[in-house]
Amino acid sequence: NAGVTQTPKFRVLKTGQSMTLLCAQDMNHEYMYWYRQDPGMGLRLIHYSVGEGTTAKGEVPDGYNVSRLKKQNFLLGLESAAPSQTSVYFCASSFSTGDLTSQYFGPGTRLTVT
Amino acid sequence: ILNVEQSPQSLHVQEGDSTNFTCSFPSSNFYALHWYRWETAKSPEALFVMTLNGDEKKKGRISATLNTKEGYSYLYIKGSQPEDSATYLCAPNFGNEKLTFGTGTRLTIIP
Repeated sequence: NAGVTQTPKFRVLKTGQSMTLLCAQDMNHEYMYWYRQDPGMGLRLIHYSVGEGTTAKGEVPDGYNVSRLKKQNFLLGLESAAPSQTSVYFCASSFSTGDLTSQYFGPGTRLTVT
Repeated sequence: ILNVEQSPQSLHVQEGDSTNFTCSFPSSNFYALHWYRWETAKSPEALFVMTLNGDEKKKGRISATLNTKEGYSYLYIKGSQPEDSATYLCAPNFGNEKLTFGTGTRLTIIP
């Protein structure tokens, strides 16, 4: 099992460019999450999904869109990148809700917007 | 936005010494508390999930306690080793699909 994988690992964008980050999991997890991690801020939830075809907003959703067309994949899109979106992005998945089941994290994507 | 606080923010401990740090969270609507360990250049990995007041979990030299009435959890490391160097995150759940992560305690073990 590969667990949770993220593509790409690194990316540099210019302001206004768009891109899509791909998260894939092979554990048949229902729930998937996108976080961003910034110095001194901890992990902040951007968007999440409780199942194929569903998405919901997290704590910091502005400037991002997501899609969950297949159960194993969760895509994070930036339509018009801004320097404030420079961050490390982590995807996570879990069997069910965050109450008793742990989340499994991907390796992260480091994004720089210039 | 729920306030989850971890203290101290960073900690340097001599190898062989024991240490502990704190996670504080709102006690109302509390459902479960997760602890994660996050090594530099890696991804967070789950350590414990705790739900009951007075619960204690142990994994090798690492243990955690939970007080749901006053809204705090302690993580203890006994006989610290260099491989314990990491950031330790706590994340309470309040009965929904999400975890709210604290900013972490960064632990450095000095050989």
